[in-house]
Amino acid sequence: QKEVEQDPGPLSVPEGAIVSLNCTYSNSAFQYFMWYRQYSRKGPELLMYTYSSGNKEDGRFTAQVDKSSKYISLFIRDSQPSDSATYLCAIQAGGGNKLTFGTGTQLKVEL
Amino acid sequence: GAVVSQHPSRVICKSGTSVKIECRSLDFQATTMFWYRQFPKQSLMLMATSNEGSKATYEQGVEKDKFLINHASLTLSTLTVTSAHPEDSSFYICSARQNRGPPYNEQFFGPGTRLTVL
Repeated sequence: QKEVEQDPGPLSVPEGAIVSLNCTYSNSAFQYFMWYRQYSRKGPELLMYTYSSGNKEDGRFTAQVDKSSKYISLFIRDSQPSDSATYLCAIQAGGGNKLTFGTGTQLKVEL
Repeated sequence: GAVVSQHPSRVICKSGTSVKIECRSLDFQATTMFWYRQFPKQSLMLMATSNEGSKATYEQGVEKDKFLINHASLTLSTLTVTSAHPEDSSFYICSARQNRGPPYNEQFFGPGTRLTVL
């Protein structure tokens, strides 16, 4: 079993839709949860991070963590074509160096 | 946010040659740098962690004699792929961290280097 599972997609939605991206993880020691966006042939850029269960909002993006279910989500409201990218979840154990990434979900927002 | 650069962005080489990739933190000092490899439609896989002035720590399955990492300064780390073969063709991405302390030390990623070995 992989430490982090993520549906690779691709996911195609119309402009303005609400997008839901999800990951599950297996190790309860993980404490920090991140979402990265990666455009084609570019390095990942951090969108959001959180270290507790619950919701965290930043503009059109909301990160949700449910530690009891080992489930994390990223919601994108009013999706735009510029949101088209691969979204990677990443998880880190407390105090550890290593980021464990999901496989990434490829998102396409169509006009 | 902090900026990390990589050079070159793309390299094509012949099988058996060595290739060096540079990773620089442009506006901050990076105590720790990481090297990842990403195959098409796959996630980033950590290859090694390097701390300035000390030997790199390699992940299981990564050959340290093949992937030489040097982190000689707080702003520069290099990855040398020695005797490259076609199976080493991949997207290599570095990241750098400032080590500010808890709760979370953000890693800033470079734009990546695409290596193609013929």
